Amino acid sequence: NAGVTQTPKFRVLKTGQSMTLLCAQDMNHEYMYWYRQDPGMGLRLIHYSVGEGTTAKGEVPDGYNVSRLKKQNFLLGLESAAPSQTSVYFCASRSPGQWSYGYTFGSGTRLTVV
Amino acid sequence: TQLLEQSPQFLSIQEGENLTVYCNSSSVFSSLQWYRQEPGEGPVLLVTVVTGGEVKKLKRLTFQFGDARKDSSLHITAAQPGDTGLYLCAGELAGTASKLTFGTGTRLQVTL
Repeated sequence: NAGVTQTPKFRVLKTGQSMTLLCAQDMNHEYMYWYRQDPGMGLRLIHYSVGEGTTAKGEVPDGYNVSRLKKQNFLLGLESAAPSQTSVYFCASRSPGQWSYGYTFGSGTRLTVV
Repeated sequence: TQLLEQSPQFLSIQEGENLTVYCNSSSVFSSLQWYRQEPGEGPVLLVTVVTGGEVKKLKRLTFQFGDARKDSSLHITAAQPGDTGLYLCAGELAGTASKLTFGTGTRLQVTL
């Protein structure tokens, strides 16, 4: 089925460890986004990309880096994980010409930093 | 500071009751969307509203965009257990390269 796939689905990290979250979409969408979701705060934008090779900071970018080397993939990296980065991370994509169709989201990655 | 505030934060009602969820901001949005999210899944789009004062209906759900495009509401008539979930409003600010700003969310539980 077409959509957005996130890997891994769950991960536990120790403080200071690094990891990369992978997002892959097969809908040929130009725009891709990384959000984090915390209780009572909705979704907050970390980084986003409007095309292959381009990235930009969102609302809460500190402690994260991203790369968009291929149009279909958007990677989110944590260089030195902190307990404050415990959250559920969602990747989303959309086509710029189909804004009314909204974002297509992945099913999330639940990350715990101990 | 959250740009979009939703109320109430939690709502527990019985099947058949009506309810309204509010999404408020001091900013003007070029468009606003409502999503529903179920446990373990990502949000799924319910509706997009664009014009101030616009009203859209989706079966028992009625969505309204405020005249000034700063607020929106979601009204559910005769709620059913299948309506249970987290409801999120999300607005697109003019000139923000398609970035959506999400509201704080309203968690709805409908019991038999």
